[in-house]
Amino acid sequence: DTAVSQTPKYLVTQMGNDKSIKCEQNLGHDTMYWYKQDSKKFLKIMFSYNNKELIINETVPNRFSPKSPDKAHLNLHINSLELGDSAVYFCASSYGQLNSPLHFGNGTRLTVT
Amino acid sequence: ELKVEQNPLFLSMQEGKNYTIYCNYSTTSDRLYWYRQDPGKSLESLFVLLSNGAVKQEGRLMASLDTKARLSTLHITAAVHDLSATYFCAVDVSIKAAGNKLTFGGGTRVLVKP
Repeated sequence: DTAVSQTPKYLVTQMGNDKSIKCEQNLGHDTMYWYKQDSKKFLKIMFSYNNKELIINETVPNRFSPKSPDKAHLNLHINSLELGDSAVYFCASSYGQLNSPLHFGNGTRLTVT
Repeated sequence: ELKVEQNPLFLSMQEGKNYTIYCNYSTTSDRLYWYRQDPGKSLESLFVLLSNGAVKQEGRLMASLDTKARLSTLHITAAVHDLSATYFCAVDVSIKAAGNKLTFGGGTRVLVKP
């Protein structure tokens, strides 16, 4: 009955590989997000989608490509992984309202070696 | 560019004492959120503050917002060990109803010692 679920929880891979992280929410929210938390715990938004439409696209390398097949799912595909991509990636969701708090998933710890 | 600064970055607390975490931000906003993160865990929403003078309380935590000073505070009363975590404030300056764009502070790591 997890509200926002991400898979996998841990991802260890080598430089140059391509990997995907999946996210699903069952809260009935219409907006989903990807945030990146670096080693210093700093959180920064990467993307947001509202009803499958890309709303926010921050300055993120083109190697990162989000995809939202429906409003309950938002996946993140990363091409040609680099060492600097190592971080914890959080998926989140909310209602598309200005005062709606975000509900976060448990995070995916990506380690690039 | 919006900047959100929290202080202190680290707070060592004694059980039973009171403490305050400060969150300053650089541009006009009346939407501020507080989150808690336990080590290796997700972020849990604590408070949503939506207007000047807003005050919310839950247990030993109380948050307030002064939009004129661009300042929010998180006050901890009679700290207990269970409150050990990292606390984040986040400010939203979105103008579109869809796509809340939260800018997070750097977090305050709280450690409550007996």
